[in-house]
Amino acid sequence: QKEVEQNSGPLSVPEGAIASLNCTYSDRGSQSFFWYRQYSGKSPELIMFIYSNGDKEDGRFTAQLNKASQYVSLLIRDSQPSDSATYLCAGSTLTFGKGTMLLVSP
Amino acid sequence: NAGVMQNPRHLVRRRGQEARLRCSPMKGHSHVYWYRQLPEEGLKFMVYLQKENIIDESGMPKERFSAEFPKEGPSILRIQQVVRGDSAAYFCASSPKTASSGNTIYFGEGSWLTVV
Repeated sequence: QKEVEQNSGPLSVPEGAIASLNCTYSDRGSQSFFWYRQYSGKSPELIMFIYSNGDKEDGRFTAQLNKASQYVSLLIRDSQPSDSATYLCAGSTLTFGKGTMLLVSP
Repeated sequence: NAGVMQNPRHLVRRRGQEARLRCSPMKGHSHVYWYRQLPEEGLKFMVYLQKENIIDESGMPKERFSAEFPKEGPSILRIQQVVRGDSAAYFCASSPKTASSGNTIYFGEGSWLTVV
């Protein structure tokens, strides 16, 4: 069974703080990982993908991958209320986690 | 460059009727994926298709559901004899090459099916 696990949350952070979203996966065959953001009633939109161990930064977002620990995370710096959404983690095996709801309070 | 196009956006069907959901992939994309999202739940993979071929249908219910991606025209997800439990958002995604190679998939706006 190829599983991607995420804490459903909600994760509440104040505006300007760092939000840390985590994901673990069971399939060691997954080579790439993706973070999608989904607003309520909308479709998922891609934020970042990562396929190498270590960190990948894009603006306020940093994805981190640790293949040995089968762990991938997304850090959002300077969180804004507009970042409030559900964040979905997915592996290259097309399996999505259930998502973590992030709430950023002004 | 148009994104993944899905229609209808909203569909209401009575129990026992058929629902047909259509998806046109992004230009240049030949791989299509269908996902279902029940209220308050995550995305569940249903089926992966290339033109004229079903590659992986491991997530499709064994009965009443079928999918196709013909040589010409959009991919179609067909649900026969709908039941209330089929009410969900159905998302289509596409990629230029197989997602298992690490290629990103892009989602359409979704089709919301309500069975009354």
